[in-house]
Amino acid sequence: DGGITQSPKYLFRKEGQNVTLSCEQNLNHDAMYWYRQDPGQGLRLIYYSQIVNDFQKGDIAEGYSVSREKKESFPLTVTSAQKNPTAFYLCASTLGRDGAYEQYFGPGTRLTVT
Amino acid sequence: AQTVTQSQPEMSVQEAETVTLSCTYDTSESDYYLFWYKQPPSRQMILVIRQEAYKQQNATENRFSVNFQKAAKSFSLKISDSQLGDAAMYFCARTAGNMLTFGGGTRLMVKP
Repeated sequence: DGGITQSPKYLFRKEGQNVTLSCEQNLNHDAMYWYRQDPGQGLRLIYYSQIVNDFQKGDIAEGYSVSREKKESFPLTVTSAQKNPTAFYLCASTLGRDGAYEQYFGPGTRLTVT
Repeated sequence: AQTVTQSQPEMSVQEAETVTLSCTYDTSESDYYLFWYKQPPSRQMILVIRQEAYKQQNATENRFSVNFQKAAKSFSLKISDSQLGDAAMYFCARTAGNMLTFGGGTRLMVKP
């Protein structure tokens, strides 16, 4: 079955540590996205990538970094510079690059930093 | 900033009844796409319905339909014959170039 996988489902880290969240898709989609969701709120875009080796900042990119070395993979690193990293993180992908197509979402990773 | 606004943080509906969720948005584009996504307690985001702004006809998917008013920048979701499984967070979203901007969500509760 095609889809998007995110691992792990739950992640715990100490303050000051960098942590990398995994996102893999086997849908052959061009574009991939990372969103952050805080309790009771909507999704906010962190980074997106439309093609391998290229990515753009979203609305809340500070304290985060990404890479897109393979079409299937778009890992997100939450750095120690992110002031409030505890949140639910969602990865998504879509077939085209013009926003016309549905975004498919992974199951999410809940990150807790103490 | 261009925004998407869902003015109803919570809504409730009796099972088998109809409920309408509101969404308004800003945009300076003439061609764009609108979406409603559902997020059940599992937190898996699921597409409910999609509307192309250049199409005047309102989109329909089984029990789900939209009322798209382009001039008013309004995009409401109607759920008919509500079921217990419809209980979830619902998010309205609008394309901004090749990105999506989401509203803050409406929590729908379904009473048996």
